[in-house]
Amino acid sequence: KAGVTQTPRYLIKTRGQQVTLSCSPISGHRSVSWYQQTPGQGLQFLFEYFSETQRNKGNFPGRFSGRQFSNSRSEMNVSTLELGDSALYLCASSVRLAGADNEQFFGPGTRLTVL
Amino acid sequence: GEDVEQSLFLSVREGDSSVINCTYTDSSSTYLYWYKQEPGAGLQLLTYIFSNMDMKQDQRLTVLLNKKDKHLSLRIADTQTGDSAIYFCAERRSQGNLIFGKGTKLSVKP
Repeated sequence: KAGVTQTPRYLIKTRGQQVTLSCSPISGHRSVSWYQQTPGQGLQFLFEYFSETQRNKGNFPGRFSGRQFSNSRSEMNVSTLELGDSALYLCASSVRLAGADNEQFFGPGTRLTVL
Repeated sequence: GEDVEQSLFLSVREGDSSVINCTYTDSSSTYLYWYKQEPGAGLQLLTYIFSNMDMKQDQRLTVLLNKKDKHLSLRIADTQTGDSAIYFCAERRSQGNLIFGKGTKLSVKP
């Protein structure tokens, strides 16, 4: 069974641009969560989607948005990029809504650099 | 405070036990987790413990939970060079979101 895949793996953008990151969950998984990882702030939860609906959201500005398609694939969009958005963006999938008895499997991440 | 706290670095010799400590923040957190991240990779769930337990053992891993002090630890017995990685502690808040510590980098010397 293929794992969680994220595309692209690396991305370089300039300030003010927007970016879309993609995540394909493990087949049969319906929940997709997104996290931002930076050296300063560590790992921070962005949002979780289940059955095409956002079910949970972290404390990020409205420039960060996401969506989930009927095949459970998810995209994350960041508009008006700032230097501080440079980070590793991780996606995780699970069969149901994330919980201890429902393991989340993480993808390798997309490394975004904003110049 | 709001943060899950972990020490940043730990260095041990191969064959020794490693103990990674974590202090979490929300006494109503339902589950507590340990994740491992190797260079260039995503996170791998190692183990978790429910908040009404005080210990969980899984092969070389032992998790201890002191709910009164909101203290969680991960013990790795017979540490190997392949255990070198960053270890993250995380708590699941009652609202459902996961809060991570900043990670402890474990270095295992031969």
